[in-house]
Amino acid sequence: DAKTTQPNSMESNEEEPVHLPCNHSTISGTDYIHWYRQLPSQGPEYVIHGLTSNVNNRMASLAIAEDRKSSTLILHRATLRDAAVYYCILLTYGQNFVFGPGTRLSVLP
Amino acid sequence: DGGITQSPKYLFRKEGQNVTLSCEQNLNHDAMYWYRQDPGQGLRLIYYSQIVNDFQKGDIAEGYSVSREKKESFPLTVTSAQKNPTAFYLCASRVKEAGTSGYNLDEQYFGPGTRLTVT
Repeated sequence: DAKTTQPNSMESNEEEPVHLPCNHSTISGTDYIHWYRQLPSQGPEYVIHGLTSNVNNRMASLAIAEDRKSSTLILHRATLRDAAVYYCILLTYGQNFVFGPGTRLSVLP
Repeated sequence: DGGITQSPKYLFRKEGQNVTLSCEQNLNHDAMYWYRQDPGQGLRLIYYSQIVNDFQKGDIAEGYSVSREKKESFPLTVTSAQKNPTAFYLCASRVKEAGTSGYNLDEQYFGPGTRLTVT
């Protein structure tokens, strides 16, 4: 399975932007980059995914490096409800998701 | 509303007893998954099923069993052979074929989880 590396934890102030990094230097050409997040005591939920181009949706933006060896999940204005564990996952079509330990984001009021 | 339900939310058992965790989905998804999560850790895949009456072992299947008799249901039995069964168990589902009910082919939908404590 292709591997990702994320910081164990990050902190942000409420209403400020948050940039969550992910390194995936062994990514292959067919691997999609997915982000999920898990709120306390809940199941993970989908945030965003992309292949090569930057992506935006109502929850976040995904910035993908030109060489695809890294990506950044951007939360434009963090709220207290965004405190969660964020997982960066590489997915090859037809394969299963592999969830690492993720980044625990704390949002300070 | 469509979704995945897991019951119960909390479950307590004595060591040596088998216990079955329920997972039901009304999303018409073909694929279903069971994960285990230990404190501060990521999710580890126990079993998955791509179609009714078929399932495959994940990374940590030992001590667990599953069945998939109906598309909507994928129960997980934690047997007495599982050496360390206390954990948070998550069920998920995913559409296999593009265009089914408008669901994103790549997205996996999770249930709320069952927290199992064995003493």
